[in-house]
Amino acid sequence: GDSVTQMEGPVTLSEEAFLTINCTYTATGYPSLFWYVQYPGEGLQLLLKATKADDKGSNKGFEATYRKETTSFHLEKGSVQVSDSAVYFCALTTRGDSNYQLIWGAGTKLIIKP
Amino acid sequence: NAGVTQTPKFQVLKTGQSMTLQCAQDMNHEYMSWYRQDPGMGLRLIHYSVGAGITDQGEVPNGYNVSRSTTEDFPLRLLSAAPSQTSVYFCASSLDRVTAGELFFGEGSRLTVL
Repeated sequence: GDSVTQMEGPVTLSEEAFLTINCTYTATGYPSLFWYVQYPGEGLQLLLKATKADDKGSNKGFEATYRKETTSFHLEKGSVQVSDSAVYFCALTTRGDSNYQLIWGAGTKLIIKP
Repeated sequence: NAGVTQTPKFQVLKTGQSMTLQCAQDMNHEYMSWYRQDPGMGLRLIHYSVGAGITDQGEVPNGYNVSRSTTEDFPLRLLSAAPSQTSVYFCASSLDRVTAGELFFGEGSRLTVL
C-alpha cells in the first residue's frame, strides 16, 4: 500500500544552519504531497504542498520539490531559527474508493540551538 | 475567525466512564476528521465525515463513535473508556473530500484514562 518514510529524529542544528529533512514515498498513481508542522503544545499546520511532479511548494522560507523520479519530497530551509523547533510531518493523499485520505509519515523532531 | 475549536483541552477519566470530545468549525468545511496522536505511532485516523449525515471509519475506529448532524459539529464519543485510549486527540477539517490533504487542525484534547 501507499506509504511515507521520513528520516528519524531528533535532528539537532545550530541557528542559521541549512536544514534538510528527507521524505520518500510509495504510491500508485499521482499523489499530492504535503509538509505539516506541529509546534509544541499545538495542533498541526499545513506548511506547504505540491500537487504534481516538479512542483515546488514554499512557505516561511521552507521549500520542497516533488521529485517523481526519486519519489521524494525533501524539506529544506537555508537558515533555520530557534523558532523553527517543531515536529515536521510529511504526508500524501491518494484516491481510494472515491475518498482522499492522508497517509502520514512518522514525523521528525527538529531542535534548533541558539 | 475561530477555525477548528476542540473542547475540552484536558480530561481525566476512570476506566469505564464515557465522555464526548467536542469539535466545531466555522469555515463551512464539508470534510471533518478525528485523529489520535501517540508517541512513536504518529497520527492515526479514527473516523471521518465527508458531509452532514455521512460518517465512515478510519484506521482505528474501535471504541469510538461519531455523528455529523450539522456541517459545523463533529463530536467524538468514547462509550467506555480504556487506558489504551489515553492519547492526544485532534479534530481536523478541510473544504471537501478532494482537498482532504489540506487540513485545518484544532489545538488538541489530551485525554488520560486511569
